[in-house]
Amino acid sequence: GENVEQHPSTLSVQEGDSAVIKCTYSDSASNYFPWYKQELGKRPQLIIDIRSNVGEKKDQRIAVTLNKTAKHFSLHITETQPEDSAVYFCARGDNDMRFGAGTRLTVKP
Amino acid sequence: EAGVAQSPRYKIIEKRQSVAFWCNPISGHATLYWYQQILGQGPKLLIQFQNNGVVDDSQLPKDRFSAERLKGVDSTLKIQPAKLEDSAVYLCASSRSGTNEKLFFGSGTQLSVL
Repeated sequence: GENVEQHPSTLSVQEGDSAVIKCTYSDSASNYFPWYKQELGKRPQLIIDIRSNVGEKKDQRIAVTLNKTAKHFSLHITETQPEDSAVYFCARGDNDMRFGAGTRLTVKP
Repeated sequence: EAGVAQSPRYKIIEKRQSVAFWCNPISGHATLYWYQQILGQGPKLLIQFQNNGVVDDSQLPKDRFSAERLKGVDSTLKIQPAKLEDSAVYLCASSRSGTNEKLFFGSGTQLSVL
């Protein structure tokens, strides 16, 4: 399978602002798009995921959107809080599960 | 339910030595993954097993890395001989039945090659 491109590599926002992270993929067979959060020294944890038959999914302050035509998907975090500071990874699944390079999000109080 | 177990937690070796990592996935999980995470980078898939068969090992440096999953349960990843650039965290993950599901990660093995 092909890898997934993730942007930006770092993102700094003020507490209460929104943060958006975008990923693109090339394999049209990809049908599952999860997002993982990794805090320093800890293991990645799933925060939200979306399947190819859905365009958007929300869970409280977190949302993911998928554009199958353009082959990109995005993570949106609203009303950011300092505890949202972490590295976020997108991934795509079809026959295998490949991850993006990660976005280091810093939320300044 | 018990999580994904990995050992050792840390390992320091010299280049050209060999090392092995062990992973026990969540009971009943058919799919097992080994990822290499170099500091500041995303997890890189090394090998993926479905039960005891290999689904993808296209990014596994097969001249030095090997992995097996005995009886479709626990798994061992070996490096022989190690190079400096192998210094990384080796993460094991499992999912219930395939790649369209949540991955559960172990705590990882931090390898330092001196």
